[in-house]
Amino acid sequence: AAGVIQSPRHLIKEKRETATLKCYPIPRHDTVYWYQQGPGQDPQFLISFYEKMQSDKGSIPDRFSAQQFSDYHSELNMSSLELGDSALYFCASSRGQPGLRSYEQYFGPGTRLTVT
Amino acid sequence: GQNIDQPTEMTATEGAIVQINCTYQTSGFNGLFWYQQHAGEAPTFLSYNVLDGLEEKGRFSSFLSRSKGYSYLLLKELQMKDSASYLCASPDNYGQNFVFGPGTRLSVLP
Repeated sequence: AAGVIQSPRHLIKEKRETATLKCYPIPRHDTVYWYQQGPGQDPQFLISFYEKMQSDKGSIPDRFSAQQFSDYHSELNMSSLELGDSALYFCASSRGQPGLRSYEQYFGPGTRLTVT
Repeated sequence: GQNIDQPTEMTATEGAIVQINCTYQTSGFNGLFWYQQHAGEAPTFLSYNVLDGLEEKGRFSSFLSRSKGYSYLLLKELQMKDSASYLCASPDNYGQNFVFGPGTRLSVLP
């Protein structure tokens, strides 16, 4: 079965640089979520999109932005990178309209971002 | 908001049964999820409870008591590959803001 695809899998950037992470949800999934997971920590919700519109916003810094495109893939744009941004960034997808009920989220393999 | 608590670490023996507890406090209850996460890998969905009672799925079962704000994940016939972190999660706002507990790191010993 098709899973969530994320690219790149690994990314090394320097402080103050920018980075773009991509996520391709499972086919027919219309909701995408972004999470940040630091070493030894649980995933922290950043932002989500349903049908190309922002659905909910968590602890996403103002330096980060994201969007969902017409083909439902999503991109997380990160600017003015800081050392503390080094983490695993997971994208998850689900099928169903948020606000009606809860749906299981299927996670991609993650992008490991290292800021030096 | 959501507040979720789990034990940090547990150890069990191959072939045994282990129960991982999760307590939660939520402003509005929208179900309780369990995920398994191996180190450096993505969380994988295990179970979802929205009604009280036990949901059985092979070697894994999950229980929910909404009145007590309590859930547990039961793993039977433990295998070495079950060594992982087990995350309890409850969605805020009907699944939009997924709040994870700190995770329980389970070590299965031979």
